Amino acid sequence: GAVVSQHPSRVICKSGTSVKIECRSLDFQATTMFWYRQFPKKSLMLMATSNEGSKATYEQGVEKDKFLINHASLTLSTLTVTSAHPEDSSFYICSASSGLETQYFGPGTRLLVL
Amino acid sequence: AQKVTQAQTEISVVEKEDVTLDCVYETRDTTYYLFWYKQPPSGELVFLIRRNSFDEQNEISGRYSWNFQKSTSSFNFTITASQVVDSAVYFCALSEADTNAGKSTFGDGTTLTVKP
Repeated sequence: GAVVSQHPSRVICKSGTSVKIECRSLDFQATTMFWYRQFPKKSLMLMATSNEGSKATYEQGVEKDKFLINHASLTLSTLTVTSAHPEDSSFYICSASSGLETQYFGPGTRLLVL
Repeated sequence: AQKVTQAQTEISVVEKEDVTLDCVYETRDTTYYLFWYKQPPSGELVFLIRRNSFDEQNEISGRYSWNFQKSTSSFNFTITASQVVDSAVYFCALSEADTNAGKSTFGDGTTLTVKP
């Protein structure tokens, strides 16, 4: 099956700093990548859709200036949480897709903002 | 608007018991996809199955089986002879056929605990 990696798997940062999370499709080209956020014991919330070479499409209520997404190549998308605050602490999950029907999830990144 | 309801928040069973996880969905589309994912304690979501709305055949994969019934808008998941390793959160999801699976609507998940 297709493999998607995320880095880092866990990050702790101070309030006010920015954190970058990478999502890579290792063995296929992902025309579309998705970023989700998951609170403890909650479902996945889609944050944004990222297409290679174009601007990300953000879901309603997601601050695009807060969560910067870059999809520079068919195998890499990055999510940068700018000026992170404790309320940004969460589990961030990416997924990658080469077609409409299936998405492959990364292992997730646990962010803790102190 | 689409909606996926997983009414069972938590289920606890003893190893070797069979368990069924319910999923009820709402959509106005005639063509759509249904998914089940497993999220173990490690956090990584594991794809289990994708079902096209035109295919109502039940599917079995080892100890897993799925019952898709359009008449009741349900896509239930049964684990036979459960094992401790089955303990996880299970998500049901729905996507429109002409929309990327990544824009699926997820249910709130069912936490399954299998005790030895």
